[in-house]
Amino acid sequence: DADVTQTPRNRITKTGKRIMLECSQTKGHDRMYWYRQDPGLGLRLIYYSFDVKDINKGEISDGYSVSRQAQAKFSLSLESAIPNQTALYFCATSDWARTTGELFFGEGSRLTVL
Amino acid sequence: GIQVEQSPPDLILQEGANSTLRCNFSDSVNNLQWFHQNPWGQLINLFYIPSGTKQNGRLSATTVATERYSLLYISSSQTTDSGVYFCAVEDMRFGAGTRLTVKP
Repeated sequence: DADVTQTPRNRITKTGKRIMLECSQTKGHDRMYWYRQDPGLGLRLIYYSFDVKDINKGEISDGYSVSRQAQAKFSLSLESAIPNQTALYFCATSDWARTTGELFFGEGSRLTVL
Repeated sequence: GIQVEQSPPDLILQEGANSTLRCNFSDSVNNLQWFHQNPWGQLINLFYIPSGTKQNGRLSATTVATERYSLLYISSSQTTDSGVYFCAVEDMRFGAGTRLTVKP
């Protein structure tokens, strides 16, 4: 089983719908991240969380919200999806409590908003 | 915020050739990593290298923190090396990537 699991892996939805992408990890890492990837733009940080009580906005947080339900779970919500939120979304974890923060990624969630 | 620039944006090689990918960053960093995104979209850690040199098989990386750049070397390239290579700093900021195509 993957250490960082994202669900769903693929989702097609319509404009205005609420969407939740979920991420769970078995690595015991303290930090979790959500990134968005668009063609030719690399990955951009949406939100990150240093622990359950700490949530921070990233570079492109508008239109998104997150919830850190437990150390192992970090979900990303699109309250009212729009077509320019069509992208590949990645969850990642890192362990700054014990090491120096190498990032580990899930396999990605491809979201299409029609 | 820190700016990260990667070059070249695209690189096409014949199998067996060597290559050097570059990552420039605009401020001092405590954390720099290189990743390979394979054609299926998976992001694979290559190196965690805030400074110094590391080697792993045909790949090696060097970061010169005082001059704000990192280099990824690929020797004797193989078709399986194809994909996009990203550098990232401070877990927060990624470069736009170098797309590598290795032809048989």
